Amino acid sequence: KQEVTQIPAALSVPEGENLVLNCSFTDSAIYNLQWFRQDPGKGLTSLLLIQSSQREQTSGRLNASLDKSSGRSTLYIAASQPGDSATYLCAVVQGAQKLVFGQGTRLTINP
Amino acid sequence: ETGVTQTPRHLVMGMTNKKSLKCEQHLGHNAMYWYKQSAKKPLELMFVYNFKEQTENNSVPSRFSPECPNSSHLFLHLHTLQPEDSALYLCASSQEVVGLGLNEQFFGPGTRLTVL
Repeated sequence: KQEVTQIPAALSVPEGENLVLNCSFTDSAIYNLQWFRQDPGKGLTSLLLIQSSQREQTSGRLNASLDKSSGRSTLYIAASQPGDSATYLCAVVQGAQKLVFGQGTRLTINP
Repeated sequence: ETGVTQTPRHLVMGMTNKKSLKCEQHLGHNAMYWYKQSAKKPLELMFVYNFKEQTENNSVPSRFSPECPNSSHLFLHLHTLQPEDSALYLCASSQEVVGLGLNEQFFGPGTRLTVL
């Protein structure tokens, strides 16, 4: 059974710092990996999707990498801003459109 | 309306009530999903629909009954729920090729359900 783990569970950093969020998964037979952002009490906003054949994707200040063989992905956020404060969720698709989610990392950027 | 919309945004119901959650996607997608997000647990997939046909039921109790009348609308009918069913229910959609799950899923804002 696929398990997705995100470390750390919570992270607090000063504004302007670069930071890395980690995601690991136990079964490397995935179709893709998706990073989401969730604001308190709200739905999910898709940030980046990496297909299993890709190594990384970039969008603005965000860069996500995927190492399928080791079961790891990282989300790099450059020059963090208070508006980046949210919970970041990692999810893998493992057949039949089934997204398996991690618990998330709750990120706080302090002004 | 754009993206994926869900109504109502908040719902409080008793254990003997019957209610329905509604989801509508304005993206022209062919697949729709229901997810459950409980406190302190990862998001869980409940149901998957492709071209209005249910292709996945993730061992969901029968007190949750989905309905997909067309590719743009998805309902979740609720009856005789339990307090532990209180959660955020999220709907999503995607454009899929042969149900492989290669494409991005787009989520609605969710319905916050409280069962008394």
